[in-house]
Amino acid sequence: EAGVTQFPSHSVIEKGQTVTLRCDPISGHDNLYWYRRVMGKEIKFLLHFVKESKQDESGMPNNRFLAERTGGTYSTLKVQPAELEDSGVYFCASSQRPDLGSYNEQFFGPGTRLTVL
Amino acid sequence: GQNIDQPTEMTATEGAIVQINCTYQTSGFNGLFWYQQHAGEAPTFLSYNVLDGLEEKGRFSSFLSRSKGYSYLLLKELQMKDSASYLCAVRHLSNDYKLSFGAGTTVTVRA
Repeated sequence: EAGVTQFPSHSVIEKGQTVTLRCDPISGHDNLYWYRRVMGKEIKFLLHFVKESKQDESGMPNNRFLAERTGGTYSTLKVQPAELEDSGVYFCASSQRPDLGSYNEQFFGPGTRLTVL
Repeated sequence: GQNIDQPTEMTATEGAIVQINCTYQTSGFNGLFWYQQHAGEAPTFLSYNVLDGLEEKGRFSSFLSRSKGYSYLLLKELQMKDSASYLCAVRHLSNDYKLSFGAGTTVTVRA
């Protein structure tokens, strides 16, 4: 079974440009999450989808960030316009519905390393 | 909110035992996860505790004390491949999906 995949693995852009990150969750996982790790600090929650609906977007830094999950499958996270402080590693994770798993653990992708110059 | 603390770095010798502590302060607790992350790779699930006590899975064990806001991950019979970052993460009671992470403990195993 394929794990969570993310594209691209690395992205280097200039301040003011736009970048779109993509996440493909594990097939059948209704829950999809975005997290971010900035400058060696802890991984922080950004938002949570249940299928195509945003369940919790309390961690989104500001309105320059837009996440979508049309059709309830893959998700995209767009940063427009990018700022220097947006640099970091963006992780995507997915999990099953809670009644299908004893732990409801989240399975993480390898992340996209974003560098804004 | 969540305050989750764990040591930044630990070094141990191959074959030895290392214990990584994690303390947390939370307004609502609904389980604690440990993840392992090798450099440049995805964090991978190691263990889960929601009740007090010890959970053992092969060479790895995890302990939880809810009254003390304390957990530890015990790595036994260390191997070189265990060199990685170990992340402590607390699940919220108010949102059964959101995880709050500690900054991670980098474990270096030396021959």
